[in-house]
Amino acid sequence: ETGVTQTPRHLVMGMTNKKSLKCEQHLGHNAMYWYKQSAKKPLELMFVYSLEERVENNSVPSRFSPECPNSSHLFLHLHTLQPEDSALYLCASSRDRDVNEQYFGPGTRLTVT
Amino acid sequence: AQKITQTQPGMFVQEKEAVTLDCTYDTSDPSYGLFWYKQPSSGEMIFLIYQGSYDQQNATEGRYSLNFQKARKSANLVISASQLGDSAMYFCAMREDYGGATNKLIFGTGTLLAVQP
Repeated sequence: ETGVTQTPRHLVMGMTNKKSLKCEQHLGHNAMYWYKQSAKKPLELMFVYSLEERVENNSVPSRFSPECPNSSHLFLHLHTLQPEDSALYLCASSRDRDVNEQYFGPGTRLTVT
Repeated sequence: AQKITQTQPGMFVQEKEAVTLDCTYDTSDPSYGLFWYKQPSSGEMIFLIYQGSYDQQNATEGRYSLNFQKARKSANLVISASQLGDSAMYFCAMREDYGGATNKLIFGTGTLLAVQP
């Protein structure tokens, strides 16, 4: 257990659906991250939040919409996704945005049909 | 642009033997950090070890050690006395130090390690 939880662990959604991924960290960290892990590709950083403020958006399509209501929770709202968005979505946190170690959650395995 | 290269898609090792997982990196920044993460089949990424670009000594954490060769831009992970529970994907990652900017990690494609009894 890394102190970072993600729900759901698995999600299947159609291209017209709207769903949300949830991440919660119990570590008292101030920075949270969303990563996308596709098969045979390196992890891709999607978004970074520091003290609930978005500090990085790595050219992610608008069909992915992050939300950070407080420093312990991070959401990724999904709408009108494409099949190529199927991937493992990993959440991570770190004490601050410039520290060495990031703690990852178990991920949400997303399949878009 | 920085880049992480892991040239071994998969590796086998006998239980109790040592194994080296290769990682080379490319950056023009003088200050950076190198990481290794383990990803079991359950999905979570587990931090293993960190090496700063200015660290004089190679990092060690229990059975993990990082063979840091700065001139060659390599940061190989050495796992000693392999255990069956070491079977997982292993990712090398790099962070460039922008100075006050975001802690952005760039990951390699990973190496799948299988430990055989």
